[in-house]
Amino acid sequence: GNSVTQMEGPVTLSEEAFLTINCTYTATGYPSLFWYVQYPGEGLQLLLKATKADDKGSNKGFEATYRKETTSFHLEKGSVQVSDSAVYFCALRDSGGGADGLTFGKGTHLIIQP
Amino acid sequence: NAGVMQNPRHLVRRRGQEARLRCSPMKGHSHVYWYRQLPEEGLKFMVYLQKENIIDESGMPKERFSAEFPKEGPSILRIQQVVRGDSAAYFCASSPTGGSNQPQHFGDGTRLSIL
Repeated sequence: GNSVTQMEGPVTLSEEAFLTINCTYTATGYPSLFWYVQYPGEGLQLLLKATKADDKGSNKGFEATYRKETTSFHLEKGSVQVSDSAVYFCALRDSGGGADGLTFGKGTHLIIQP
Repeated sequence: NAGVMQNPRHLVRRRGQEARLRCSPMKGHSHVYWYRQLPEEGLKFMVYLQKENIIDESGMPKERFSAEFPKEGPSILRIQQVVRGDSAAYFCASSPTGGSNQPQHFGDGTRLSIL
């Protein structure tokens, strides 16, 4: 079946630090990959996506590259801000059958200190 | 542009009662997905519906849970005879088509508490 594995949190960084949140996946087909962000008490917001190998998704200074050879989709940002504090979810949706919904990782809680 | 609207935001029920959660998709979206989020966990897919049809319910518990998306009106997730373990946040998402490369847009969720 499909699965997504994210690095365990919480991840605590100082403002302006470099961020990497690791994400690896297994899929039966050829998935599309997504990063979502969840602020306290809210729903998930799409941060970025990539739909084929070597695609790079980017938004608000965040980037992630679809690496088929390592089945990874790591999230990076060069200089984090306090406002980036949230929970980040890596997700996939498979094109090769199985459940039609998104498969999510457990989430990584990011805390940015001033 | 209104996003995905869920109501109520918070719902409290006693064991054995029924819970009804509503979801209105974004304008122009005819595909709806329901997810459940338990504390400290990611979201788990429950069911995928298109207007008047259940496309995939592989994530739905076999008993007490049902979902519909009628021709008119919101999608409804219904939980009968609720138990303590049903306490969770339930999120609805929508997309314009069902393609796997389509991002899903999420509502703010309904937080269900069972007394």
